[in-house]
Amino acid sequence: GESVGLHLPTLSVQEGDNSIINCAYSNSASDYFIWYKQESGKGPQFIIDIRSNMDKRQGQRVTVLLNKTVKHLSLQIAATQPGDSAVYFCAEMGGGYNKLIFGAGTRLAVHP
Amino acid sequence: EPEVTQTPSHQVTQMGQEVILRCVPISNHLYFYWYRQILGQKVEFLVSFYNNEISEKSEIFDDQFSVERPDGSNFTLKIRSTKLEDSAMYFCASSEGGRDQPQHFGDGTRLSIL
Repeated sequence: GESVGLHLPTLSVQEGDNSIINCAYSNSASDYFIWYKQESGKGPQFIIDIRSNMDKRQGQRVTVLLNKTVKHLSLQIAATQPGDSAVYFCAEMGGGYNKLIFGAGTRLAVHP
Repeated sequence: EPEVTQTPSHQVTQMGQEVILRCVPISNHLYFYWYRQILGQKVEFLVSFYNNEISEKSEIFDDQFSVERPDGSNFTLKIRSTKLEDSAMYFCASSEGGRDQPQHFGDGTRLSIL
């Protein structure tokens, strides 16, 4: 499952640092959001989700922040590890539909 | 951990031929989806399926495409008379519910049309 984008933005971090990946979503009617991780040769892997009645949700080493005012979503990864290297996608759902609309993705490169 | 499985991992087909992509969703899930990703582009929604019928479809999902749940475990995407521009990664996904439920993806089928 390649998510290769020739022009994907890349975030480079040192192992052990915290990473913040940002996403601007398009539809003000969207009310459910998911972050996915995609490694080379694999499909999108669910990381964390958040509903629009929340502005923050935490998982294991990950936090998602939602700012509906500016239609912005972020994924924070604490103590980034080499295994976190992948392409990260935000996806939105809303308007009464259950289809996901994906963002373009950000490549995270973790350096030892 | 239960997962969505897709076969084959890579399908090479001559233009104009029919192709069937297969998926086994997670067993207790009720909603099924197909997405595709053309190389270098975003993941795009094709179709969602619930209760043995299509619940939503995108503009991409025209008369060339069809989906079927032929038995209690498989979910298929058929593309009739394939075109060069159908070359892409095709991902199957499933979810327990429809709205506000995480969709879990398989590892995809790479479709190459020659």
